[in-house]
Amino acid sequence: DAGVIQSPRHEVTEMGQEVTLRCKPISGHNSLFWYRQTMMRGLELLIYFNNNVPIDDSGMPEDRFSAKMPNASFSTLKIQPSEPRDSAVYFCASRREGQRNYGYTFGSGTRLTVV
Amino acid sequence: GESVGLHLPTLSVQEGDNSIINCAYSNSASDYFIWYKQESGKGPQFIIDIRSNMDKRQGQRVTVLLNKTVKHLSLQIAATQPGDSAVYFCAEIRKTSYDKVIFGPGTSLSVIP
Repeated sequence: DAGVIQSPRHEVTEMGQEVTLRCKPISGHNSLFWYRQTMMRGLELLIYFNNNVPIDDSGMPEDRFSAKMPNASFSTLKIQPSEPRDSAVYFCASRREGQRNYGYTFGSGTRLTVV
Repeated sequence: GESVGLHLPTLSVQEGDNSIINCAYSNSASDYFIWYKQESGKGPQFIIDIRSNMDKRQGQRVTVLLNKTVKHLSLQIAATQPGDSAVYFCAEIRKTSYDKVIFGPGTSLSVIP
């Protein structure tokens, strides 16, 4: 089991540029979650999908953020245009319906720096 | 977002001693709790969970205690080892949505060799 795979691990971009973060959930997991982690706000849920369908995007900061899940094995989080305050670690997590516990399996995260 | 993360409490423990990490929650609809461990440069890792109809659950070297009366949760780590150094998060799931895990601010545990 390769776990949840995120890419890139680090991203440095200039303000105004488009940033795309990628996630491959664990095979067989049907729920996918995007979180953002900062020192000031901790871990925040941005959006989650069940069976590739967005269920709750109330945590998405603003229209500059968008997320897609075109199939069960791939999701993207896009920021356009990026701003310095978007700098954070972005985590993707997945879970299988019916698993014994409600906890997620997290990826290793993408550290985004917007300069 | 629903997470709060303004301050990160820290706890320093001598290797071999027991550690107790505390967490308070406020929502009466909280029905399920999870402790996560996050090591530097990694994502949070599931440690142990407990349902609201329980007051204690034990795992390997870890015990979670739940006091619903005062809305308090604790994680006890027995014989703390250097590899236990990490940030520990308590997280809750509410009856309103079993999909969403809501994280607390975290506690940094530092083990002194």
